[in-house]
Amino acid sequence: AQSVSQHNHHVILSEAASLELGCNYSYGGTVNLFWYVQYPGQHLQLLLKYFSGDPLVKGIKGFEAEFIKSKFSFNLRKPSVQWSDTAEYFCAVITYSSASKIIFGSGTRLSIRP
Amino acid sequence: NAGVMQNPRHLVRRRGQEARLRCSPMKGHSHVYWYRQLPEEGLKFMVYLQKENIIDESGMPKERFSAEFPKEGPSILRIQQVVRGDSAAYFCASSQGTGDTEAFFGQGTRLTVV
Repeated sequence: AQSVSQHNHHVILSEAASLELGCNYSYGGTVNLFWYVQYPGQHLQLLLKYFSGDPLVKGIKGFEAEFIKSKFSFNLRKPSVQWSDTAEYFCAVITYSSASKIIFGSGTRLSIRP
Repeated sequence: NAGVMQNPRHLVRRRGQEARLRCSPMKGHSHVYWYRQLPEEGLKFMVYLQKENIIDESGMPKERFSAEFPKEGPSILRIQQVVRGDSAAYFCASSQGTGDTEAFFGQGTRLTVV
């Protein structure tokens, strides 16, 4: 069965620091990949997605992610974080088949020190 | 086009009562997913439904939990004889289908069992 691993449970950074959150998935076939963000007390919002094409995906709010098929990874990056990026970040995968559910990683809590 | 609508936003039930959580997908979406989020934990898949069909319920507890997505009306997640451990945030997501499509999330229902 497919699964998603997020390596960091809680990341603490200072403003302007660079961010990289790891995400690995286990599935040998074609996948669609997502990063969602959940701000405190709110629902999940899509940050970015990868379906096909350029493996470097640009999202909202300056986030980007790179799909590396050989490593089964889809790490999220941001060159310079802001206090408002404090949130929980979820990586998700859906396999390209007729009856697939979206599988989420366990999430990474990001805390930004002002 | 309204987003995914969940109600109620907050639900308080006494142990042994029934909880009904409703989810109206986005217009044009025929796929619904239910997830449970426990404190300090990620999103756990519960069930995946299409209109009038349960596609995957591998994440649903075998007892007390059921879900439906009728031809008309919202999807319902029903929890019978609730216990304290059912207290969590329950999120619904909808999508147009599988393949190159993303899921949109509702605001969630926070269930508290007292």
